[in-house]
Amino acid sequence: GAGVSQSPRYKVAKRGQDVALRCDPISGHVSLFWYQQALGQGPEFLTYFQNEAQLDKSGLPSDRFFAERPEGSVSTLKIQRTQQEDSAVYLCASTLGGTTYGYTFGSGTRLTVV
Amino acid sequence: AQTVTQSQPEMSVQEAETVTLSCTYDTSESDYYLFWYKQPPSRQMILVIRQEAYKQQNATENRFSVNFQKAAKSFSLKISDSQLGDAAMYFCAYRIIQGAQKLVFGQGTRLTINP
Repeated sequence: GAGVSQSPRYKVAKRGQDVALRCDPISGHVSLFWYQQALGQGPEFLTYFQNEAQLDKSGLPSDRFFAERPEGSVSTLKIQRTQQEDSAVYLCASTLGGTTYGYTFGSGTRLTVV
Repeated sequence: AQTVTQSQPEMSVQEAETVTLSCTYDTSESDYYLFWYKQPPSRQMILVIRQEAYKQQNATENRFSVNFQKAAKSFSLKISDSQLGDAAMYFCAYRIIQGAQKLVFGQGTRLTINP
């Protein structure tokens, strides 16, 4: 596609529910990133894929957070047993990879845990 | 660890005037990129301007320019002839050139344009 597509755009979850957030990157983009952006803050890195390999997951805040990209294209960020502090915008970005700097961001999913 | 600091949570400027947004960063690397991103209410991050650390010349993109001071680890953004459409959150970001490709962002500056 022409851009990075994220769905759903908004998600309301009851505390304790599991959620799955989807990211569809630009076709051919090797690298894919997930960021968490709390209200009024800058995005914080969660995890990074190069093709299907998850090369860095150092930013995942707990073992309730899990990401996958099984075929090297679409990625899913799953949050189990959601808690109120998980409320944030989750941004996805993709790039061609390597030393390129051409990140393309999606419009994010706003997750609200009630 | 690399950190990026934006000390101005909010800035405002009159339409057609010039405004400067500040950013400082901390790194032990010598080769890196610096970026300014704009985030409107649509939430999508839009690249405004980038600077390669090995280039001494300050980057310029139309009304947007940077003042890159490598020794001081400072990277400010100047917006000339401010327009109503410039109103947004602005984020300074950093990444090393080789290795980890993740962006490290500052806390952001909310820019308001007064008509």
